[in-house]
Order: sequence, then C-alpha cells, then structure tokens
Amino acid sequence: AQSVTQLGSHVSVSEGALVLLRCNYSSSVPPYLFWYVQYPNQGLQLLLKYTSAATLVKGINGFEAEFKKSETSFHLTKPSAHMSDAAEYFCAVSGGSNFGNEKLTFGTGTRLTIIP
Amino acid sequence: NAGVTQTPKFRVLKTGQSMTLLCAQDMNHEYMYWYRQDPGMGLRLIHYSVGEGTTAKGEVPDGYNVSRLKKQNFLLGLESAAPSQTSVYFCASGTGYSPLHFGNGTRLTVT
Repeated sequence: AQSVTQLGSHVSVSEGALVLLRCNYSSSVPPYLFWYVQYPNQGLQLLLKYTSAATLVKGINGFEAEFKKSETSFHLTKPSAHMSDAAEYFCAVSGGSNFGNEKLTFGTGTRLTIIP
Repeated sequence: NAGVTQTPKFRVLKTGQSMTLLCAQDMNHEYMYWYRQDPGMGLRLIHYSVGEGTTAKGEVPDGYNVSRLKKQNFLLGLESAAPSQTSVYFCASGTGYSPLHFGNGTRLTVT
C-alpha cells in the first residue's frame, strides 16, 4: 500500500522567493512519484515524475524535485516564484512498474499563493 | 486533439435522482479512471478500468457504478444521489507507459 502526506495545505510566498512544497511518501515497494498542478477550474497537469532514474528530477515551468529515500521525501522546489505559479499542487505515488497508471494515490494538496 | 472530455461540466441533482457522467478520450488509452475531489481530501479513486469491458473498484466505490463498453468511453453512474456525493469528479486516462491525462472535471451538487 502507498500513501503520501503533503505538509501544509496552504503556502504563501512572495514573488521572486523560493517555493518549497513538502511531500513525504510511504510505499511497500520502490515508488514512482509525481507532482501534478491544478489551475482553477481545470484538471490536473503533470509537473514532473520520478521513476527510479536520477534522484533530482526537473519538470516544467522551472520546478524540480529531489527523491530522498532515507527521508522518504519528494519535495517540490522552484528558485523564484512567479505570479503564474499560483495553483494547487498534488503529490502522488504509485508502486506500479509502469508510470503509475494503476491506483495512483494522491496527497491532499497544497494551495500555493504568490504575494506580489 | 481533444484529449479527455467530460460531460456535463456542471449538474445539480436532488437527493434520490440518478445521473450518468460521460468521459471520452481520443488517445486510444487502455486505462481509464474516475476520481472525486473534495476539499482537504485530495483526489480519491472511485473506479477504474484497465481495458474495454473491464472495471474495478477503487478507494471509494460505494454509491457509484461504471461501465466501459467502448474503449474510448468510461461512464460513471449514480443510481440514487446523496448529498455526500456533492463533489468535483475527474476522469483520467493513460497507457501504462505515460502519465495520466485528466479531463477538466464535472462539478456535481446534490441538494
């Protein structure tokens, strides 16, 4: 069984500041990990994914995440926040051998607000 | 390229009424999923399908039924709607070798 915990349901950062969204996972098998973003009134879009290759994963829009097995974490970062980053972010885990299409388990989400 | 299309976008039901949500994908994906999204709870899997003619229960299947008669369509049915089913419903599809593609959601209110 897999699960993810996202620390902080709301995060606010100033424009130009570092964005850090936290995700810890639990998995009985080597996990595949994902970050998705949801803009208002839209579905989810994939930001980046970890599938047991490089531990530092780069995604779209300048985001990246680092897989740390010892800490069971997969935190999402961006060096400089932009107003367009305001959205809800979901961490997700799958123990499947593919891209996690089966029974992807999502965290509860973190709403990111950017302060001008 | 439409991707994943959900209909309707909005719906208001009275308790006890029934309805069907339609999800259509034009990417020839084998896997399709229905999730519900509720504040503070993230997305929870209702039912899913790994191919035409197959369905399986997810995390929160009670009160819902699904059918996958055609590969491109995945229907979610509510036989007797309850206020607890007020939610935003998302359909998603995938190949097993690519990330999920999501529709834009159906906002359902049950009064």
